[in-house]
Amino acid sequence: GESVGLHLPTLSVQEGDNSIINCAYSNSASDYFIWYKQESGKGPQFIIDIRSNMDKRQGQRVTVLLNKTVKHLSLQIAATQPGDSAVYFCAERTSGTYKYIFGTGTRLKVLA
Amino acid sequence: EPEVTQTPSHQVTQMGQEVILRCVPISNHLYFYWYRQILGQKVEFLVSFYNNEISEKSEIFDDQFSVERPDGSNFTLKIRSTKLEDSAMYFCASSEGLAGIEQYFGPGTRLTVT
Repeated sequence: GESVGLHLPTLSVQEGDNSIINCAYSNSASDYFIWYKQESGKGPQFIIDIRSNMDKRQGQRVTVLLNKTVKHLSLQIAATQPGDSAVYFCAERTSGTYKYIFGTGTRLKVLA
Repeated sequence: EPEVTQTPSHQVTQMGQEVILRCVPISNHLYFYWYRQILGQKVEFLVSFYNNEISEKSEIFDDQFSVERPDGSNFTLKIRSTKLEDSAMYFCASSEGLAGIEQYFGPGTRLTVT
């Protein structure tokens, strides 16, 4: 169930290091953003979300940063663990709609 | 922990046949969604469903597709006259509410059209 296309960007990090995964979104009218994790053979799993009236939100080991000026979203994972290896997608929702637009995804590889 | 379930996990069908993909959303959720992911491509929104009707659909969701909540637990996606390009993973998702509420995804059904 993961995006395994040849063009999927890959980020390799050492176990214990911090990871930063970036996403550029397209619609300035988007008001809600989500980061998903997708492991091999599974559906997307919610990690963290952020509304457009915020620029930062923290969860357990994860932080999402939103820069509306340049339409950029990032996911920071602290102390990356082997279990974090997966494909990570951002998704945006246009204000007033029920529709989520997903990004292409980034493959995170955690090196032991 | 409650989860969204989908059946079958893999469906193989011949071109031109009809398929029904089944989903059981989380029981107290009110909003239901179908997405698809063609191999090597991004997850694409197909349709959202609330209060027994479609609330939004994408350009992909044409007359070939339909959704139904036949009873209090199941949510189905019917694809009529399947085409080779319908081969993909189909994910069902559900959420308690709409704005700012987490969508829970099922494990997906891999549809292969031959």
